[in-house]
Amino acid sequence: QKEVEQDPGPLSVPEGAIVSLNCTYSNSAFQYFMWYRQYSRKGPELLMYTYSSGNKEDGRFTAQVDKSSKYISLFIRDSQPSDSATYLCALRWDSNYQLIWGAGTKLIIKP
Amino acid sequence: DTEVTQTPKHLVMGMTNKKSLKCEQHMGHRAMYWYKQKAKKPPELMFVYSYEKLSINESVPSRFSPECPNSSLLNLHLHALQPEDSALYLCASSQVETADIQYFGAGTRLSVL
Repeated sequence: QKEVEQDPGPLSVPEGAIVSLNCTYSNSAFQYFMWYRQYSRKGPELLMYTYSSGNKEDGRFTAQVDKSSKYISLFIRDSQPSDSATYLCALRWDSNYQLIWGAGTKLIIKP
Repeated sequence: DTEVTQTPKHLVMGMTNKKSLKCEQHMGHRAMYWYKQKAKKPPELMFVYSYEKLSINESVPSRFSPECPNSSLLNLHLHALQPEDSALYLCASSQVETADIQYFGAGTRLSVL
């Protein structure tokens, strides 16, 4: 079993839809939860990060962490074609350099 | 400003060539990283520099040689690479090695012929 599971997709939705992207993990020691967006042939760009549990909102993006279920989510409201990209979750233990990555979900927003 | 700059953007090299990848950040970060990313895979950590000293080497072959000349610069020297080394090479930085956020550059797309 991988430490972090993420459905690689692709996930295809119409423009304007609410998108839900998810990762599950097995190690309860993870404390930092990050979502990166990566466009084709570009480096990952940090979208959201959460320490410990709870929700965080930034514009059209909401990140949720449910530590009891070991489940993290990224919601995108009013999705746009420019949101088409691969979304990677990355988790980290406290006081540790290493990021543990999900496989990445390829998201396609159809105009 | 959260910019990490990598040059060149693209690089094609033969198996006998020697080339270098460069990375620069001016955020005052003291930890810098090299990652390798193959298509449709997440990034794989190669090296970590902390306060200009190599702190982590993830069992990377010696044909990859990192260098940190100062706190803003990170190089990756390449020699006698194999075609399977073709990938996107990413540089990242963070405030310190144990900081929560790593910022990534756009990457260098390397093709080894």
